[in-house]
Order: sequence, then structure tokens, then C-alpha cells
Amino acid sequence: EAGVAQSPRYKIIEKRQSVAFWCNPISGHATLYWYQQILGQGPKLLIQFQNNGVVDDSQLPKDRFSAERLKGVDSTLKIQPAKLEDSAVYLCASSSRTSGYNEQFFGPGTRLTVL
Amino acid sequence: LAKTTQPISMDSYEGQEVNITCSHNNIATNDYITWYQQFPSQGPRFIIQGYKTKVTNEVASLFIPADRKSSTLSLPRVSLSDTAVYYCLVGDSTGGFKTIFGAGTRLFVKA
Repeated sequence: EAGVAQSPRYKIIEKRQSVAFWCNPISGHATLYWYQQILGQGPKLLIQFQNNGVVDDSQLPKDRFSAERLKGVDSTLKIQPAKLEDSAVYLCASSSRTSGYNEQFFGPGTRLTVL
Repeated sequence: LAKTTQPISMDSYEGQEVNITCSHNNIATNDYITWYQQFPSQGPRFIIQGYKTKVTNEVASLFIPADRKSSTLSLPRVSLSDTAVYYCLVGDSTGGFKTIFGAGTRLFVKA
């Protein structure tokens, strides 16, 4: 079974630029998550989708971050404009009810550096 | 949402059993306890999940006392490759089970 795919793996941009991350979840997983993980901290949930609907985006900085999940499969997370404090690893995860409560499968992440 | 408290770091030696305890005093009736492992430059990986008493799989055991206000992840005979950060999470499946990771416990296994 293929895992969660993310691209790019690394991205370096200057502040005020825009950036987008892509995630392809495990086939058949209805729930998709985006996390931000700053160095030395645990992952912080940014947004959670159930199919193509948003379940929780309470911690998403909506003035600069946006995310979509068209057709309930792939998802894109965008930052516009980026700030220095956005430097972090952005993790995508997916889950399904058949995989157990809270069992999320994570991708390798995208490491973003904002200069 | 129940908050969890774990030790910041632990040291061990190869071949020893490691027990990491997580405190979750406000755990709700519907909440499950889940542990994840994270290696550097990788996403977290599910280890084990339980509701009460004891759960065991090929990787670890999870001990949950009757009051469920804490839980202990037990790693038997650790090796250097078990050096990682371990996260304890508490949550239920209603409303799409929100996930809150704390800072985790950094386990260092020495030779």
C-alpha cells in the first residue's frame, strides 16, 4: 500500500513570497490533515478535512494560509505571503475509520525555510 | 480536549525496558489513548492505541489503570534505533477526533 505522498520535500523562499505544498493521501482515506511542526515542538494541527469538507481549521492563520481538497482526494496548502515564523516542516496525514481511532498515517513532510 | 503531560526526555541503554508515562487527568469517557513515534526528518508513526487495561502489539505495550488518568508506554529491550520522540495523545472519534500533539518525550538510547 502506497503511503502519503508530499511535495516538494524542501522549499526555500524569501519573506513575502508565496508557496504551495501538495499532498496525496492514502487511497480511500476520507480524512486528511495538515500540520505545522516547528523545530523542537510537536506537530500543530492547521486544518482537517473530511472528504472535501473542512472539519476543523481553528488554528489556521486564515489571513495568510489557505487549503483546499478538491474532489476529496489531493490537497494543497498555500501560504501567501510568507513570514519568517512560517519556517517549519509541514506534515500531511490521512486516516480512515477502518484504520482505528486516531491512527493517522503521515507523509515525509515539506521543510520550508523562509529567509 | 484532555491535556497530556509527559517527561521532556529520558535516557536508557540498549537492551533495557523503557517505560514512558503520560498523565491525562481530564480524560473523557469516549477518549482513547494513542502513542506515536517520530524519528528526525520523518512524520510521526502510530505505535499503539488503547482504551483500558493492557494492549500489546509487536512493538510495545500500553498499560492503562482503571481510572484512566494516566497511561504507560512500555518498550521492551530497546535498541539504538528506538531513539526518537514519543507522543501521547488523547481523543475520541466523535466530531472527527481532533488531534493535539504535546512536546513529546525525547528518548535517547545509548550503547
